Amino acid sequence: SYELTQPPSLSVFPGQTARITCSGDALPKQYVYWYHQKPGQAPVLVIYKDSERPSGIPERFSGSTSGTTVTLTISEVQAEDEADYYCQSGGSGGIYVFGTGTKVTVL
Amino acid sequence: QVQLVQSGAVVKNPGASVKVSCKASGYTFTGYYIHWVRQAPGQGLEWMGWINPNSGGTNFAQRFQGRVTMTTDTSITTAYMDLSGLRFDDTAVYYCARAIGTDKAWWGQGTLVTVSS
Repeated sequence: SYELTQPPSLSVFPGQTARITCSGDALPKQYVYWYHQKPGQAPVLVIYKDSERPSGIPERFSGSTSGTTVTLTISEVQAEDEADYYCQSGGSGGIYVFGTGTKVTVL
Repeated sequence: QVQLVQSGAVVKNPGASVKVSCKASGYTFTGYYIHWVRQAPGQGLEWMGWINPNSGGTNFAQRFQGRVTMTTDTSITTAYMDLSGLRFDDTAVYYCARAIGTDKAWWGQGTLVTVSS
């Protein structure tokens, strides 16, 4: 089955930049979506179509892609950005998949 | 505003079935697919499948084929997910979500299903 691989965890100090990667063989052919999820809450979309930002999402969230790896970048990290982050892709053949998830800790 | 309100937490015995509902409001129900995603305790998100409320068409992740049913009642803008043959490792929070894979993605609050004897 198709898999999307993310680093399990990432720690960053406030004001620094966090970069979360998501790797998968089919990513050059499919868009990636990013969600963050805080404890006890449902996921929230933060990036769609690799690099587009939904309304209401701060400009410090951005996305980029290079070959089989896509990256979510959080600039000037704030304490409120501490959450689990998931990439998601798919749609081809009607099948969707989530990445393994990355826990971002703000030190 | 868009809302997806799910049914409450349930406890089921192994081998039983569970039906989770997802009441949609604030948008045209038939205009967007409804997906179901689950999350076991301390684990990541797992996509289960989708239903097209307009046509009733469905598509499921292979591991749930034969065990999951997804339906909608457009008259009350509600989607349902039925999972049969429950096992202990089906214990999870089950989410409905509108339009995963688009910029219109929106999630319900989740329903905890506990499988316990």
